[in-house]
Amino acid sequence: DAKTTQPNSMESNEEEPVHLPCNHSTISGTDYIHWYRQLPSQGPEYVIHGLTSNVNNRMASLAIAEDRKSSTLILHRATLRDAAVYYCILRDDQTGANNLFFGTGTRLTVIP
Amino acid sequence: KAGVTQTPRYLIKTRGQQVTLSCSPISGHRSVSWYQQTPGQGLQFLFEYFSETQRNKGNFPGRFSGRQFSNSRSEMNVSTLELGDSALYLCASSSYQDFEQFFGPGTRLTVL
Repeated sequence: DAKTTQPNSMESNEEEPVHLPCNHSTISGTDYIHWYRQLPSQGPEYVIHGLTSNVNNRMASLAIAEDRKSSTLILHRATLRDAAVYYCILRDDQTGANNLFFGTGTRLTVIP
Repeated sequence: KAGVTQTPRYLIKTRGQQVTLSCSPISGHRSVSWYQQTPGQGLQFLFEYFSETQRNKGNFPGRFSGRQFSNSRSEMNVSTLELGDSALYLCASSSYQDFEQFFGPGTRLTVL
């Protein structure tokens, strides 16, 4: 499985934008980039995913580098509820296999 | 729509015993994946079941097994429990080739 590298932790002030980076230099052509987050005492929840183009949804934006070797999850205005561990995951969506490799993730602390 | 439910939520066992955990997926979802989360190893994939067949398997010993029933409910079993099996066990469901997995709240297993 292709692996991802993320910083262990990041901090952000409340209501400011947050950019969470992820490196995936060994990504294959069929790998999609998925982001999940895990709030304290909860199971992970899906945030966003993309293949090549930048993606936006109600939760966040995903910016993907042109060579696809890195990506950035963008939270436009961090709230206290966004404090969580964020996981960047590569998944071959063509196979439909649901065996996600989570890695260590980035623990985001939001400062009031 | 009801979410993924897991029972029991908490469990205490002693070394050498066996345990069975249950997962009820979201209605209509046919894929169920199981994950183990520990402070040391993070979130690790155990196995995935789709239409009552094991479709993928992680790198865990044979003491960890699972099955899926015709109504898509799934169980996982751990035999001959070890102290290191203490963990949060999460299950996730998804529809056929869906990109998003929906996680349950987990079962917290403590082995004494």
